[in-house]
Amino acid sequence: NAGVTQTPKFQVLKTGQSMTLQCAQDMNHNSMYWYRQDPGMGLRLIYYSASEGTTDKGEVPNGYNVSRLNKREFSLRLESAAPSQTSVYFCASSSVPSGEQFFGPGTRLTVL
Amino acid sequence: GQSLEQPSEVTAVEGAIVQINCTYQTSGFYGLSWYQQHDGGAPTFLSYNALDGLEETGRFSSFLSRSDSYGYLLLQELQMKDSASYFCAVRDYRGQGGKLIFGQGTELSVKP
Repeated sequence: NAGVTQTPKFQVLKTGQSMTLQCAQDMNHNSMYWYRQDPGMGLRLIYYSASEGTTDKGEVPNGYNVSRLNKREFSLRLESAAPSQTSVYFCASSSVPSGEQFFGPGTRLTVL
Repeated sequence: GQSLEQPSEVTAVEGAIVQINCTYQTSGFYGLSWYQQHDGGAPTFLSYNALDGLEETGRFSSFLSRSDSYGYLLLQELQMKDSASYFCAVRDYRGQGGKLIFGQGTELSVKP
């Protein structure tokens, strides 16, 4: 039981490059989330998927797209990376509606 | 707008008790969560209060007063390993589509 896994762990991009961050959970959770965390800051929600087949914008969706591929997987895509997207990206999942979310280990992204 | 306020830093000594406060102003409220995050790590869930009152889990307790839009996390018998950042988060909707809005975090330093 791996919980929530994210790939890659680290990534360096040049401005304008694209990439997809992968997230998978093996807990049979309905809801999945993508956050970004900047130094000394809290977590800001980028996109979330309340259930398979649905996605919604969070607080900071500009510059990102998501795909809920199936119940297990939720990917985040940067189409044209910008230095402002340098951050740590966390994926999370939850089962029943509650305040408890399970987080992956994060992806540390640097855009030069 | 939506905002959560918590102190940016708190310092305490090993064995002591510390309280981290959180006040919130959000368009919807269905519960208050607390998360712990060690440097470089993923946030981990500590507690969730949907109703007024005190919830106790070992050395950690969490309190909520919905009428005051206020909650706190109480850490007793502090240990060095409790040095971390602590985030409060509001659940903004009761149903499946609900999401968490995070505060900016309180960095707790435990001194010997």
